[in-house]
Amino acid sequence: KNQVEQSPQSLIILEGKNCTLQCNYTVSPFSNLRWYKQDTGRGPVSLTIMTFSENTKSNGRYTATLDADTKQSSLHITASQLSDSASYICVVSTFTNAGKSTFGDGTTLTVKP
Amino acid sequence: SQTIHQWPATLVQPVGSPLSLECTVEGTSNPNLYWYRQAAGRGLQLLFYSVGIGQISSEVPQNLSASRPQDRQFILSSKKLLLSDSGFYLCAWSVGRGVYNEQFFGPGTRLTVL
Repeated sequence: KNQVEQSPQSLIILEGKNCTLQCNYTVSPFSNLRWYKQDTGRGPVSLTIMTFSENTKSNGRYTATLDADTKQSSLHITASQLSDSASYICVVSTFTNAGKSTFGDGTTLTVKP
Repeated sequence: SQTIHQWPATLVQPVGSPLSLECTVEGTSNPNLYWYRQAAGRGLQLLFYSVGIGQISSEVPQNLSASRPQDRQFILSSKKLLLSDSGFYLCAWSVGRGVYNEQFFGPGTRLTVL
């Protein structure tokens, strides 16, 4: 069964600090892995997308890594801001015609001043 | 540019009443369309997806149905709502059949069944 597990479930950090979120998956065959940011009560917004051959991708203060051998990914947030408070969702897709994906439950990040 | 709309934004309905949520996409043709439900504090659960007009695939057995009467219109319905249908409903779209099948999400509809 395809699964995506994220850790930690929730995280509280101080503004300006760095943090790293983890994602482990068992989805096969692997197509791509995406990280989304979801603000409370809003739809998810894509941060990064990586294919099998990519092991790192940056988007401003967000840097995602992918180890396709160990089936692990991480999302590193640098110099956190209050606006980074959100749920971060890891999504892994297989090679299907409709791009069906398996979603993790997300990590809830709270950045405090 | 492409945009996706969902309405209503919030909805409170009694148990046993019907439901109709609408999603429309602008700025793209022949998109793949998706309906997801998100329970509080949980991940997204795929309910339905569609690769074309009139083509609907259901992922989980449930009290809901979906229809795609037009290329860029996706409707989620129920004849009789259950308490367990409460949640945050998200519509999403993607294009193509390639590797970068990134999905773009709408703003969501918060449904409360009382």
